[in-house]
Amino acid sequence: AQSVTQLGSHVSVSEGALVLLRCNYSSSVPPYLFWYVQYPNQGLQLLLKYTTGATLVKGINGFEAEFKKSETSFHLTKPSAHMSDAAEYFCAVSDNGGATNKLIFGTGTLLAVQP
Amino acid sequence: EPEVTQTPSHQVTQMGQEVILRCVPISNHLYFYWYRQILGQKVEFLVSFYNNEISEKSEIFDDQFSVERPDGSNFTLKIRSTKLEDSAMYFCASSEAGQAYGYTFGSGTRLTVV
Repeated sequence: AQSVTQLGSHVSVSEGALVLLRCNYSSSVPPYLFWYVQYPNQGLQLLLKYTTGATLVKGINGFEAEFKKSETSFHLTKPSAHMSDAAEYFCAVSDNGGATNKLIFGTGTLLAVQP
Repeated sequence: EPEVTQTPSHQVTQMGQEVILRCVPISNHLYFYWYRQILGQKVEFLVSFYNNEISEKSEIFDDQFSVERPDGSNFTLKIRSTKLEDSAMYFCASSEAGQAYGYTFGSGTRLTVV
């Protein structure tokens, strides 16, 4: 069965600093991987996804993530944090072996951006 | 850009009451889902729906829960007799076809059971 582990429930960075949010997955089949962002009192917005092909994927708002099969990782990065990036970020894996494509989420990482 | 619409955005109900949460998926999407997020916890899968029937459900989705697509556009989640522990944010999502397309989530309904 698939699972996702997000290291660090809270991450704090200074504005302009590198953002690195960690995600490791477990899957017995090639995974589809996703990062979602949730702003306070809002729904889940897709940042980026990896399905097949290029392992470095670019998303919205300057975020990108790299699928590393050997490390079973899909870490999210952004070169320079902005105050508006403060939100909760969820990594998710798609149940690729199942019939219904459900998403399995990590526990989330709350990103704080300090001025 | 097409959206998944959920109503109401907030609902407060008394324990033991029935609630219906409503969702309007994107019109050409074929797969529909409900997820739940208890405050401070991760988002959890409840149920998926395809071709007018449940295709998968989690252990959370017990006999108190039901889903239906009554009119070909709305997709509803009913909780027959709410419990305090049903208090959560409920997200509807739809997908065109397959994992590669990802999901579009609605903005959620915050259910508070008192």
